[in-house]
Amino acid sequence: AQTVTQSQPEMSVQEAETVTLSCTYDTSESDYYLFWYKQPPSRQMILVIRQEAYKQQNATENRFSVNFQKAAKSFSLKISDSQLGDAAMYFCAYRTLNRDDKIIFGKGTRLHILP
Amino acid sequence: GAVVSQHPSWVICKSGTSVKIECRSLDFQATTMFWYRQFPKQSLMLMATSNEGSKATYEQGVEKDKFLINHASLTLSTLTVTSAHPEDSSFYICTIPGGSKNIQYFGAGTRLSVL
Repeated sequence: AQTVTQSQPEMSVQEAETVTLSCTYDTSESDYYLFWYKQPPSRQMILVIRQEAYKQQNATENRFSVNFQKAAKSFSLKISDSQLGDAAMYFCAYRTLNRDDKIIFGKGTRLHILP
Repeated sequence: GAVVSQHPSWVICKSGTSVKIECRSLDFQATTMFWYRQFPKQSLMLMATSNEGSKATYEQGVEKDKFLINHASLTLSTLTVTSAHPEDSSFYICTIPGGSKNIQYFGAGTRLSVL
């Protein structure tokens, strides 16, 4: 069974600085999707960025980028120029490509932005 | 606009009563929906896969008779928490997979408080 591990329960970063959130996963599959989701206090899940495992190029969305290391099964999220609105819970997630379709979430990292 | 409508957003009920939570797909037909449970400051745990026209598939450890799932149409899945107890208090989220494997739509969630 697939697992997703986020080893940092909480992190803090100064506003305008850069922070990296870690995520590792375990799977025997060769093709899958990886995601980073943001959950603000409203608790509505927001997709931050996604990566297809077959793509070697790291995904980038404005200030958000990932470092995808397939062999190491690592998928970290880098937030550049941190803003107060980035404060939230961040979940790393894995989605299989088989019929299950379900998403497996890590335990999350709470990110604090210090003004 | 929203693709998934989840209702109610917050419900308070007395212990022993049943509560129904609805998840509607607004833009497309959904043969599969997922129900997750999130305890405070914790991750999303998959409870069950709701399958249109057939029985739901429950994850290990989830009581089928406690959490009744009905997916009677291609746009509606319901989760009924039967004989609710305070330990059932939690945040429940439904998700609907999009047409593409890298898309997942989230409901806004339902906060259940059992007194």
